[in-house]
Amino acid sequence: QQQVKQSPQSLIVQKGGISIINCAYENTAFDYFPWYQQFPGKGPALLIAIRPDVSEKKEGRFTISFNKSAKQFSLHIMDSQPGDSATYFCAATSRPGDAGSARQLTFGSGTQLTVLP
Amino acid sequence: KAGVTQTPRYLIKTRGQQVTLSCSPISGHRSVSWYQQTPGQGLQFLFEYFSETQRNKGNFPGRFSGRQFSNSRSEMNVSTLELGDSALYLCASSLVRSTDTQYFGPGTRLTVL
Repeated sequence: QQQVKQSPQSLIVQKGGISIINCAYENTAFDYFPWYQQFPGKGPALLIAIRPDVSEKKEGRFTISFNKSAKQFSLHIMDSQPGDSATYFCAATSRPGDAGSARQLTFGSGTQLTVLP
Repeated sequence: KAGVTQTPRYLIKTRGQQVTLSCSPISGHRSVSWYQQTPGQGLQFLFEYFSETQRNKGNFPGRFSGRQFSNSRSEMNVSTLELGDSALYLCASSLVRSTDTQYFGPGTRLTVL
């Protein structure tokens, strides 16, 4: 119930191409879906996030598409660049029962993206 | 504004020893969460502290513990280290209630020999 399934495990894209990473979840209580980008030796950094009341959110070259009925969401990276080469994690979280608590993130397994020059 | 800082960045310990990791959240952030990252299990939630109280705990044995100080700084302790505890330990801070966003530090790489 708490799992977030992410695919593919690895992705190789040519420079200028579109990178697409998919995630699926089961827990209908999830109401916030962030994507994190992690470079080697660094902690994950928030890239973009979406709530289920919208079907799409775009920030620069990064777009999240959200399908509430299918319980799926995806990250699209347009015009992929070598500098985008990193590991991407989708995550999901639900409002905690304790109003004073932070949200507990449930992460997908990660996608290692390589953008070839 | 300075980001989340974690010390030390690297640690090498032997089985049976204990270790303490430190995390300083972003100024003004009162919630600190800890995550373990391994190649096999990915990113897994350990626990979360807010106002010096543990508010949430993941599925880890009691060897993993933590605490939070009045200035929101947090420490995580692992006792009786096992080889499988080798991982990147990440700390994340958030404002709580006013934002859902968690900001991660660079992590502490723990190697257990």
